[in-house]
Amino acid sequence: NAGVMQNPRHLVRRRGQEARLRCSPVKGHSHVYWYRQLPEEGLKFMVYLQKENIIDESGMPKERFSAEFPKEGPSILRIQQVVRGDSAAYFCASSPFGGGNQPQHFGDGTRLSIL
Amino acid sequence: KNEVEQSPQNLTAQEEEFITINCSYSVGISALHWLQQHPGGGIVSLFMLSSGKKKHGRLIATINIQEKHSSLHITASHPRDSAVYICAVGAQKLVFGQGTRLTINP
Repeated sequence: NAGVMQNPRHLVRRRGQEARLRCSPVKGHSHVYWYRQLPEEGLKFMVYLQKENIIDESGMPKERFSAEFPKEGPSILRIQQVVRGDSAAYFCASSPFGGGNQPQHFGDGTRLSIL
Repeated sequence: KNEVEQSPQNLTAQEEEFITINCSYSVGISALHWLQQHPGGGIVSLFMLSSGKKKHGRLIATINIQEKHSSLHITASHPRDSAVYICAVGAQKLVFGQGTRLTINP
């Protein structure tokens, strides 16, 4: 499968724990985007990364959330000290280049549930 | 007012009907995307367009840049077309509409 791979598909955490969501982009894609879909709401941009750089994190909550896309390995979205309001579907997308007019290839998402 | 507005929010139709979903946006764009999301499933990119019209199978997407409006059409609709259809605009940082939930009954 050459598409965007996200894991895990489902993640359950208790309040106060850490959640780590992984995204492997399409092979050869160096640009990764994270989006969040809260229950009964639309998708919202969180962060845009290029290898080893955060390009735009204007959609990231100021606290507890961080993202990285290292030179080797998948992109990681990390949520520390999770709260009930973090329950959502988190989608990753990738594109080969930056700039406009680039189709984004989406993964199947990680459904995060906070107990 | 949202930057991207879709209508209708919900649409139920019979199999074989011609379907139209509309998207209006209020910001300048480099491209507009139409996406499909099945319940509990992932997101599939259907079209990316910046002008004119694109066709893929029974799906047709059009855009009018001057009027800041796009439509997604489905010809000869089928129950397997039942999904949420999402319009999004932007370059790297996509801004999404709320989605249109389409149900096609046999």
